[in-house]
Amino acid sequence: AQKVTQAQTEISVVEKEDVTLDCVYETRDTTYYLFWYKQPPSGELVFLIRRNSFDEQNEISGRYSWNFQKSTSSFNFTITASQVVDSAVYFCALIAGGTSYGKLTFGQGTILTVHP
Amino acid sequence: SQTIHQWPATLVQPVGSPLSLECTVEGTSNPNLYWYRQAAGRGLQLLFYSVGIGQISSEVPQNLSASRPQDRQFILSSKKLLLSDSGFYLCAWSQGIGNQPQHFGDGTRLSIL
Repeated sequence: AQKVTQAQTEISVVEKEDVTLDCVYETRDTTYYLFWYKQPPSGELVFLIRRNSFDEQNEISGRYSWNFQKSTSSFNFTITASQVVDSAVYFCALIAGGTSYGKLTFGQGTILTVHP
Repeated sequence: SQTIHQWPATLVQPVGSPLSLECTVEGTSNPNLYWYRQAAGRGLQLLFYSVGIGQISSEVPQNLSASRPQDRQFILSSKKLLLSDSGFYLCAWSQGIGNQPQHFGDGTRLSIL
């Protein structure tokens, strides 16, 4: 069975601060895929990134960066110079093994509030 | 480009009434389709998925059912709603094999009275 843990329930920062959202995963499969999704107050989930288990390169996209470390089973997400528009619930998720469909296992989410 | 539509956006139903939520995808063919429920604004739980017309798999036993009458249409139903069915329902699609990102609709907020 797979599990994703986001230990930070809520984080509150002031605009322009950097913030890191933690994600720890569990799976026995050697092939797996990790995702981050953003859920703004409007409710829809927005896909941010996918990483596969064979690629540990960190990734940067604008103010967003992701740190994938297999040794600690972590896939952390950092927002640099946070903005009010970054306020949302952020979900880390996992698909493990080879299936014809993708069963996403979600963490419980981290509520990020960025104050002006 | 691909788009996903879900309706209605909000729904208030009495206990014991039927339910039908609809989801359609445009701009792609033979997508994988999913229904999720999000309770209390937190973690999402996969309810059903479908890899093709008429093919439905259920992840958890419950009061709900799903159908896929057309390639890009996915319907979530219930004959008799329970209070515990309240929540935020999200439809999603993905293309190809199962490790591809899933793209979500805007969701339906269902309140049972």
